[in-house]
Amino acid sequence: DAKTTQPTSMDCAEGRAANLPCNHSTISGNEYVYWYRQIHSQGPQYIIHGLKNNETNEMASLIITEDRKSSTLILPHATLRDTAVYYCIVRVETTSGTYKYIFGTGTRLKVLA
Amino acid sequence: AAGVIQSPRHLIKEKRETATLKCYPIPRHDTVYWYQQGPGQDPQFLISFYEKMQSDKGSIPDRFSAQQFSDYHSELNMSSLELGDSALYFCASSFRTSGSYEQYFGPGTRLTVT
Repeated sequence: DAKTTQPTSMDCAEGRAANLPCNHSTISGNEYVYWYRQIHSQGPQYIIHGLKNNETNEMASLIITEDRKSSTLILPHATLRDTAVYYCIVRVETTSGTYKYIFGTGTRLKVLA
Repeated sequence: AAGVIQSPRHLIKEKRETATLKCYPIPRHDTVYWYQQGPGQDPQFLISFYEKMQSDKGSIPDRFSAQQFSDYHSELNMSSLELGDSALYFCASSFRTSGSYEQYFGPGTRLTVT
């Protein structure tokens, strides 16, 4: 029941902006979009999240389209250490009133020197 | 800052054996989640607990059980292990009571069933 679609892989030159797209056309009005990344086989690392407004933090920016059917994660100045699998996740409310993450297939970003 | 702790980090078991994985959430976090990530696959949600009560269940096999204890740590018990159970098992925690739902993941336990 994946709710996101991402490109399988992308390359980005070191120092350039990395723009990672995500489609979530079936997202519901109160479901948030989260981005995580996983380096090698480490635990996924939180990057950023948003509902409908664009968000920015020290790691990245998140641009969400007005219809909320897609979003883009932007790493402004990619470094070699940003090479990882990036997951676009929809946070779904469960019947018990809690939340769970639905992981998509992720984008394998490779930053090239 | 303290992170999620998982133990053991690596575990090798034989088929039909049992295994217990432990997770210690970030201090003050009240919710624990378990995920399974098979080789080359995406993390799959197994089960979660909030305030020591099971709050949601995903694709967890009946051979697996889990609980959250009074100190908020959690254990995932796996019985009658099969070769297909070989995977990375991640625990994540969040502080739901604060209204913040970001999940912070531990380093994972790599289980190998031979």
